[in-house]
Amino acid sequence: GAGVSQTPSNKVTEKGKYVELRCDPISGHTALYWYRQSLGQGPEFLIYFQGTGAADDSGLPNDRFFAVRPEGSVSTLKIQRTERGDSAVYLCASSSHGTINTGELFFGEGSRLTVL
Amino acid sequence: RKEVEQDPGPFNVPEGATVAFNCTYSNSASQSFFWYRQDCRKEPKLLMSVYSSGNEDGRFTAQLNRASQYISLLIRDSKLSDSATYLCVVNKGNTPLVFGKGTRLSVIA
Repeated sequence: GAGVSQTPSNKVTEKGKYVELRCDPISGHTALYWYRQSLGQGPEFLIYFQGTGAADDSGLPNDRFFAVRPEGSVSTLKIQRTERGDSAVYLCASSSHGTINTGELFFGEGSRLTVL
Repeated sequence: RKEVEQDPGPFNVPEGATVAFNCTYSNSASQSFFWYRQDCRKEPKLLMSVYSSGNEDGRFTAQLNRASQYISLLIRDSKLSDSATYLCVVNKGNTPLVFGKGTRLSVIA
């Protein structure tokens, strides 16, 4: 498809387990973003890649969260030792500009993570 | 204080009504402003940018007041299909977009 693809769409896991969430951005988009959205809240920034490197990871809540984008396309968000508070929808977005002054991020449908 | 604040609503309005949402932002260095729309259990999508001079797109009008640090969105002649959450978004140049928590609109027949 032409849009941002995220897998899995739903993930249920137990507290303490390791989780990986994958994002396949729109082809040719150099910028990739991860956001997290809890119920009743707006998307909260986690990390931003320009190409292969993390340009801004200031939103990662703690060292249990890590993301990679080794070839500048697909990205994986990794969460270690999951906690119930990690339950949220994890949204990936891409854009064709390194800066985002155009304001148009193209979001995937998200990966809904539930930690029991 | 949150960087972007919005009244969460819900705003329940009849079809054909005019409804307005406001949003305030705390960082005076913010440079770009946007409204995104998010349908229930769907991803956010850009609705429109907000320019200093104000801008209009069909039934939608966006305004920016830099002195008071607020942004508004006006929807005229509301349709049932306008029911969604409207997210106010700002950014400070080469930084990721900061989203408000959204204002929920329900248009009722």
